[in-house]
Amino acid sequence: EAQVTQNPRYLITVTGKKLTVTCSQNMNHEYMSWYRQDPGLGLRQIYYSMNVEVTDKGDVPEGYKVSRKEKRNFPLILESPSPNQTSLYFCASSLKAGRVYYEQYFGPGTRLTVT
Amino acid sequence: TQLLEQSPQFLSIQEGENLTVYCNSSSVFSSLQWYRQEPGEGPVLLVTVVTGGEVKKLKRLTFQFGDARKDSSLHITAAQPGDTGLYLCAGAEGNKLIFGTGTRLQVFP
Repeated sequence: EAQVTQNPRYLITVTGKKLTVTCSQNMNHEYMSWYRQDPGLGLRQIYYSMNVEVTDKGDVPEGYKVSRKEKRNFPLILESPSPNQTSLYFCASSLKAGRVYYEQYFGPGTRLTVT
Repeated sequence: TQLLEQSPQFLSIQEGENLTVYCNSSSVFSSLQWYRQEPGEGPVLLVTVVTGGEVKKLKRLTFQFGDARKDSSLHITAAQPGDTGLYLCAGAEGNKLIFGTGTRLQVFP
């Protein structure tokens, strides 16, 4: 089954404790991205990747890191989480990015709480 | 970064009513998508519009892209409880996808 998987689905952590949220897709998609969703603010893009070893900042990259060493995986790293990073996070992938956007396939989400 | 404003923010209606959701920007987008998100899940694509003035229909849902490619609308005819969800528009800005603020629709039986 074609899908995007994220782990963990739920995470409660403390300020400053490094964490990684994994994302994997099995559709051989080139483009992957991370979003955070907050009430009243919609979905905001954190980072995106056009292909292996090619990543770039989205609209809200501060406090986050990513890497794309393999085509299928795109982990999101919070080196020193803070309470303002409490949010619902989504990973997404699409065939490629271009002038006409391809369908974004979203993972099920990771609800992160930083105390 | 371009902004996409959606209106209304919330909408509660009875089954059978018609409704329209708007997505507006001051900037031009090369393409625009509409997604629906249900509680506990990620958004799912409904449609992509590319050409100014384009109209696409998906059963009871009608999508229109403005002539100047700065705005879009989603019209639902005879809404059903199964239409309940968060509707998001998204515009392409270079290699980034900018999402609107969302419209939360609730349809009561």
